[in-house]
Amino acid sequence: EAQVTQNPRYLITVTGKKLTVTCSQNMNHEYMSWYRQDPGLGLRQIYYSMNVEVTDKGDVPEGYKVSRKEKRNFPLILESPSPNQTSLYFCASSLIDRVDDEQYFGPGTRLTVT
Amino acid sequence: AQKVTQAQTEISVVEKEDVTLDCVYETRDTTYYLFWYKQPPSGELVFLIRRNSFDEQNEISGRYSWNFQKSTSSFNFTITASQVVDSAVYFCALSGYFYNQGGKLIFGQGTELSVKP
Repeated sequence: EAQVTQNPRYLITVTGKKLTVTCSQNMNHEYMSWYRQDPGLGLRQIYYSMNVEVTDKGDVPEGYKVSRKEKRNFPLILESPSPNQTSLYFCASSLIDRVDDEQYFGPGTRLTVT
Repeated sequence: AQKVTQAQTEISVVEKEDVTLDCVYETRDTTYYLFWYKQPPSGELVFLIRRNSFDEQNEISGRYSWNFQKSTSSFNFTITASQVVDSAVYFCALSGYFYNQGGKLIFGQGTELSVKP
């Protein structure tokens, strides 16, 4: 089954404790990205990657890091989480040769930073 | 700059009523895509429709229909004979036509639809 998986699905952590949210897709997609969803703001792009070793900032990259060492994986790293990073996070992937290809979203990771 | 506005934060209807969710967008691009996603209480994002800027034809899929009007920069979504299972947050989104624009989706704030039995 074609899918994007994220782990963990739920996470409660404390300020300053480094964490990683994993994202993996099994569709051989070149393009992957991370969004955060906040009430009243919709979803906003954090980082994206056009292919392995190619990443770039989205609209709200502060406080986040990403890496793309393998095509299927695109982890989101919070080196020193803060309460304002409490949010619902989505990973997405799609083919890159046609922008009208559907973006597949993961199930979401709900992060709470206390 | 690109922007999507969903002015209706919350809508509440009674089952079998028709309901229209409004979406207004801003972009300087001449080619772009518009989307609608559904987010049920379980939290996942469900893709509903994609429309490119060349195609202003309205689309109907079962009880769902979409009205795209470039003249008013709107892409409204109508649910006919609403059902309780339609209760969800609905997002309208906009993207550029090319991946050199980052391939990102610009989302509206979302409209929470509550359908009561």
